[in-house]
Amino acid sequence: NAGVTQTPKFQVLKTGQSMTLQCAQDMNHEYMSWYRQDPGMGLRLIHYSVGAGITDQGEVPNGYNVSRSTTEDFPLRLLSAAPSQTSVYFCASSFTGLPGNTIYFGEGSWLTVV
Amino acid sequence: AQKVTQAQTEISVVEKEDVTLDCVYETRDTTYYLFWYKQPPSGELVFLIRRNSFDEQNEISGRYSWNFQKSTSSFNFTITASQVVDSAVYFCALSDLYGNNRLAFGKGNQVVVIP
Repeated sequence: NAGVTQTPKFQVLKTGQSMTLQCAQDMNHEYMSWYRQDPGMGLRLIHYSVGAGITDQGEVPNGYNVSRSTTEDFPLRLLSAAPSQTSVYFCASSFTGLPGNTIYFGEGSWLTVV
Repeated sequence: AQKVTQAQTEISVVEKEDVTLDCVYETRDTTYYLFWYKQPPSGELVFLIRRNSFDEQNEISGRYSWNFQKSTSSFNFTITASQVVDSAVYFCALSDLYGNNRLAFGKGNQVVVIP
């Protein structure tokens, strides 16, 4: 059981480049989300999805796009990378959206934009 | 709006000392959940505990204990007899009534246990 898998683990981008951070879960979880972690800022919610075909914005959505074509996958797209997007990105999933539900996190993707 | 405050940024203790991490939260909801996560140097997030707003019973799990007080909006975490393996960043987080994988995190406490 792989849980929540994020790829790549490390990536360096040049300003203006685009890329996609991949997130996949094999637990048949309906709910998935993306967070970014910056030094001294804790984790902040970027986008979330309550099921295939349904996504919504979190606290810091600007500069990121998401889609949810399947239950398993929730990719995060950076269309034109900026140095301010240098961060550690975490994908998370849970079986339901109930507030007390256990949320499982991936191992993180370290992104540097130069 | 949900808000979680962890005031201390870095806490250093000598091995075997106790360490308490403070977490203060703000919410307008009457139903909510609080969490603590551990982030070791390897970077992954490890779930430690979940507590709902209707359950103020404090909990002890091995060397970990949690003190939830609604009257002061606090959900503090104590590590007893700290060990070097406890060195990590600890995050307090809050889920609103609707959940949906939306957690508001505090800024984290860096705990350094000195052997």
